[in-house]
Amino acid sequence: TQLLEQSPQFLSIQEGENLTVYCNSSSVFSSLQWYRQEPGEGPVLLVTVVTGGEVKKLKRLTFQFGDARKDSSLHITAAQPGDTGLYLCAGAGGTSYGKLTFGQGTILTVHP
Amino acid sequence: DSGVTQTPKHLITATGQRVTLRCSPRSGDLSVYWYQQSLDQGLQFLIQYYNGEERAKGNILERFSAQQFPDLHSELNLSSLELGDSALYFCASSAERGRPVYGYTFGSGTRLTVV
Repeated sequence: TQLLEQSPQFLSIQEGENLTVYCNSSSVFSSLQWYRQEPGEGPVLLVTVVTGGEVKKLKRLTFQFGDARKDSSLHITAAQPGDTGLYLCAGAGGTSYGKLTFGQGTILTVHP
Repeated sequence: DSGVTQTPKHLITATGQRVTLRCSPRSGDLSVYWYQQSLDQGLQFLIQYYNGEERAKGNILERFSAQQFPDLHSELNLSSLELGDSALYFCASSAERGRPVYGYTFGSGTRLTVV
């Protein structure tokens, strides 16, 4: 069974601070995605990383895929209250053919 | 609006009952996935359909079943409901048949409460 471990589980920070969320696995994934979920809504795709070592930037968010395609990180610069939500990483490929395997998520709260 | 429609948004029912959750995928998407989200288990994969055929199965209970119809909408049937089945049920769609390299589009979910 493929597992994705996210850390930390909870993150409470002040507006303007930087943060990093980690997503680790012992399995290799063909791609890894990051989603953001708000209360009462479904997860929304933020980014997909496919190539080992790939770095993608989305405004203040930077996503990195590990060289071995087993881990990923999400870095947010100068967090804002609007960044508050549940961040989920999800892996595709390997033995998870046809489905995404999700991490447990990181609940981020950014205080004004 | 993501383009994936789930109904109903909320459902409260008694133990032992049966319910049907409905999902209409985003226009053009042939794959439909069902996930269960609970506080302690996170998002757990239940089942995938592609163009009417079952493609992959997760840890879906025997009391649960699903199907995808010719118009591509899907239904998840949950029977002999137990308190532990209370959760958020999400449907997601993608244009891809196999490995969802480019991600899913999720609906806003059905919150099921079994009392």
